[in-house]
Amino acid sequence: EAQVTQNPRYLITVTGKKLTVTCSQNMNHEYMSWYRQDPGLGLRQIYYSMNVEVTDKGDVPEGYKVSRKEKRNFPLILESPSPNQTSLYFCASSLGGAAGQETQYFGPGTRLLVL
Amino acid sequence: GESVGLHLPTLSVQEGDNSIINCAYSNSASDYFIWYKQESGKGPQFIIDIRSNMDKRQGQRVTVLLNKTVKHLSLQIAATQPGDSAVYFCAEYTGGFKTIFGAGTRLFVKA
Repeated sequence: EAQVTQNPRYLITVTGKKLTVTCSQNMNHEYMSWYRQDPGLGLRQIYYSMNVEVTDKGDVPEGYKVSRKEKRNFPLILESPSPNQTSLYFCASSLGGAAGQETQYFGPGTRLLVL
Repeated sequence: GESVGLHLPTLSVQEGDNSIINCAYSNSASDYFIWYKQESGKGPQFIIDIRSNMDKRQGQRVTVLLNKTVKHLSLQIAATQPGDSAVYFCAEYTGGFKTIFGAGTRLFVKA
């Protein structure tokens, strides 16, 4: 089954404790992206990756890191989480950024609480 | 700055009626738009898309209208059903790799 998976689905942590949220897709998609979703603000793009070893900042990259060492995986790293990073996080992938390839497939979400 | 927004945060309709969800965008360079549906506890799912060289596109029970003059997008759902209850987002693409989502509209369908 074609899908985007995220782990963990739920996470409670404390300020300053490094964490990684994994994302994996099995559709051989080139493009992957991370979003955070907050009430009233919709989905805001954190980072995106156009292909292996190619990443760029979205609208809200502060406090986050990403890596794209393999095509299928795109982990989101919070080196020193803070309470304002409490949010619902979504990973997404698409064929690419060219015309006709933009439709993104989303993972189920990771709900993060930073105390 | 660039933004995609929605006029109404919530919309309540009677089952069987038509629904219209609106979206305003500010970047005139945007050339592609997608409507996504997000059900409770799930990630957004593609509904329908439209390119800037079109003003209307129809799918199954859904129609998207694009008015570039006023930078307005709408999603029409015919014969709204309880299963249509969700949050609907419009997303804006400018030909690069960035995606801008609107804040979302929650649709309630009353039986």
